Amino acid sequence: DTGVSQNPRHKITKRGQNVTFRCDPISEHNRLYWYRQTLGQGPEFLTYFQNEAQLEKSRLLSDRFSAERPKGSFSTLEIQRTEQGDSAMYLCASSVGDWRGASGNTEAFFGQGTRLTVV
Amino acid sequence: GNSVTQMEGPVTLSEEAFLTINCTYTATGYPSLFWYVQYPGEGLQLLLKATKADDKGSNKGFEATYRKETTSFHLEKGSVQVSDSAVYFCALKTGAQKLVFGQGTRLTINP
Repeated sequence: DTGVSQNPRHKITKRGQNVTFRCDPISEHNRLYWYRQTLGQGPEFLTYFQNEAQLEKSRLLSDRFSAERPKGSFSTLEIQRTEQGDSAMYLCASSVGDWRGASGNTEAFFGQGTRLTVV
Repeated sequence: GNSVTQMEGPVTLSEEAFLTINCTYTATGYPSLFWYVQYPGEGLQLLLKATKADDKGSNKGFEATYRKETTSFHLEKGSVQVSDSAVYFCALKTGAQKLVFGQGTRLTINP
């Protein structure tokens, strides 16, 4: 399967614990995005990487959240000291783009997401 | 700021009915517009897109026309099938790289 892969698919954790999710993008895609989707809502942008550089972070990404893409390939999203409000589906997407930013119509391919439940 | 508003769901139709899901947007600049679909148990998939005013995106019998004058991108299909049952998301992207999504519309097609 050459699509975007996310692991784990489901995670249940106790409030206050740390969790880490992994995203493996499509291999030739240099852009990687994280979104969060709560029940009955559309996905909300969290952050994105161009290769290993994190170029934009949403205000939704509090200081308990950190994302990395150390070698410009896979990415991890860590949530520290989880809260019940963090319960959501975390989506990863990847696409091809260049530094000129002239890729507004480039398709983003999404993974199936990691569903986090904080109890 | 940029935002997308979709018609509220859920929408329930009979097979072969005509479908319209309304989508309007607010954006600075000239956004590209998208419809994504999420089938049960699957990830978001791009259904169709349009990158400039008056463009029509189409795929799998679905169509949407980029209307700058009404800031709309309504999704239509002439004859829906049971297999079209899914959640549909309208989205936009400007020079910034992130997608801005609407809240989604759940569509159920009954045989």
